[in-house]
Amino acid sequence: DTGVSQNPRHKITKRGQNVTFRCDPISEHNRLYWYRQTLGQGPEFLTYFQNEAQLEKSRLLSDRFSAERPKGSFSTLEIQRTEQGDSAMYLCASRSDDAYNEQFFGPGTRLTVL
Amino acid sequence: GQNIDQPTEMTATEGAIVQINCTYQTSGFNGLFWYQQHAGEAPTFLSYNVLDGLEEKGRFSSFLSRSKGYSYLLLKELQMKDSASYLCAGPNQAGTALIFGKGTTLSVSS
Repeated sequence: DTGVSQNPRHKITKRGQNVTFRCDPISEHNRLYWYRQTLGQGPEFLTYFQNEAQLEKSRLLSDRFSAERPKGSFSTLEIQRTEQGDSAMYLCASRSDDAYNEQFFGPGTRLTVL
Repeated sequence: GQNIDQPTEMTATEGAIVQINCTYQTSGFNGLFWYQQHAGEAPTFLSYNVLDGLEEKGRFSSFLSRSKGYSYLLLKELQMKDSASYLCAGPNQAGTALIFGKGTTLSVSS
C-alpha cells in the first residue's frame, strides 16, 4: 500500500464552476477525514467518515460543499459554484480504528479559483 | 472551546538544538500530536503524547504537561532538511478529528 492518494493534485477553475476531488485512503483504514489548509495556517477540519457514514461536519462546510464515501473506501469532495475564497489546499487523511489515533495524510489537492 | 497556540517562526543553525512550544486549551484532553510539513507537501506524523513527560524518538523528542496545558517539540542536531512547518494538534472534544495550531515555520541555516 502506498499510502493515502488524492486526485487531482492541482485544479484551476473559474469562479462559479463545480469541482470534485477524490481521496483513496489506506486500504484497511475505515476512518476518513477532509481538511482545508490555507497559506500560513494549520489544516482546518471539514468532515469525517467512519466507513460510509458521514458522522461529523464542520461549520466551515457550507451548503456548497458535499462529501461522499459511498462504499466505505474512496471519498469525493465536491464544491459547487466555487468562490475565490475556496482557493486552498484540500487534504484527506485516514486512520484505523485502534486507540492510537494517528492520521495519515494524502498529498492534497491544491485548488485555485480565478 | 479549543485553542492551540504556537510561535509563528523560529530560526536556528545546523547542528543546534531548538525547542518549539505549544500551549493548548481544550474542554477535554485525549493526547497531543506533532506533525512536520514541508512546503507544498502533506503533514507527516512525528509524535503523540498522552501522558506527562518526555518521549524520545531519535533526534526528535516531545514533552507534555497536562496540568499546564503545555507541550514542546525538541529537535537536536539540526539539519537543513529540518526546515519545515511544525504543527501541534489535539483531538477535538468528540475525538473525531484533529484541531491544529497555525504551525511554526522553522528555518535552519548553515
